[in-house]
Amino acid sequence: LAKTTQPISMDSYEGQEVNITCSHNNIATNDYITWYQQFPSQGPRFIIQGYKTKVTNEVASLFIPADRKSSTLSLPRVSLSDTAVYYCLVGPDTGRRALTFGSGTRLQVQP
Amino acid sequence: KAGVTQTPRYLIKTRGQQVTLSCSPISGHRSVSWYQQTPGQGLQFLFEYFSETQRNKGNFPGRFSGRQFSNSRSEMNVSTLELGDSALYLCASSQNRGIGTDTQYFGPGTRLTVL
Repeated sequence: LAKTTQPISMDSYEGQEVNITCSHNNIATNDYITWYQQFPSQGPRFIIQGYKTKVTNEVASLFIPADRKSSTLSLPRVSLSDTAVYYCLVGPDTGRRALTFGSGTRLQVQP
Repeated sequence: KAGVTQTPRYLIKTRGQQVTLSCSPISGHRSVSWYQQTPGQGLQFLFEYFSETQRNKGNFPGRFSGRQFSNSRSEMNVSTLELGDSALYLCASSQNRGIGTDTQYFGPGTRLTVL
C-alpha cells in the first residue's frame, strides 16, 4: 500500500483558498487518489477522487502532477464549516479492499 | 438516494457484555466494510462483507465478528467488551463494481462507550 504524508494541521481564514498537499511517493500504477473530510464524531465524507491531472467538482479541486507522487486538494473560499480533518488516501488495495487512513490534516478556519 | 445508516447512534455498555451494531448500506451497494476509530489508533479496518461472505479482515481479535444478510445489511458484534473497545464504529458501503476504484461511503457511526 502506498503510504501518504500530509501536514498535521493547517490554519486559514474565511474566504481564503486552502491547498492541502499529500505525498505518496510509492503510488502504484492502478492506484487512485481519494480525499475524505471528517467532522468530529461523524463518518468520513467523500470529497473528490482522481487519477491524474486535474479533477474538479462542486466542492473542491484535485491537482495531480504527471509523476503522481503527490496531490493537492484545493478548497476555494473556505468557511468556518470547512473546519475538519482531511484525509488523503491512495488505493484501492485490491487485495484487501480496505481503506488505510493516515493521521489526516486538521484544518482550522478562523473568522 | 438515502445514505448509509447505522443504529444505534450511541451505546453504553459495561465490561464483559456483548454488543451488536447494525448498518444499512446505500441501495444497490453490495459491499459493506466496518472500521473502528479511536483517538489513539485513528481509523482502522475491521472487516468487509460482500454477498453475505467475509472477504477481508483486519487485525482485530476474534471477539469482533460480523455478518451480512441477503439484502446487504450488515451487523457487527463485539463480545466480552473491554474498556479499550470504546470507539466510534463506522460502516461504509460501496458498489463493488470491480473497475477502477470502488469509492466507499460512510455512515454516521455508532459511538460505543464501555464502562
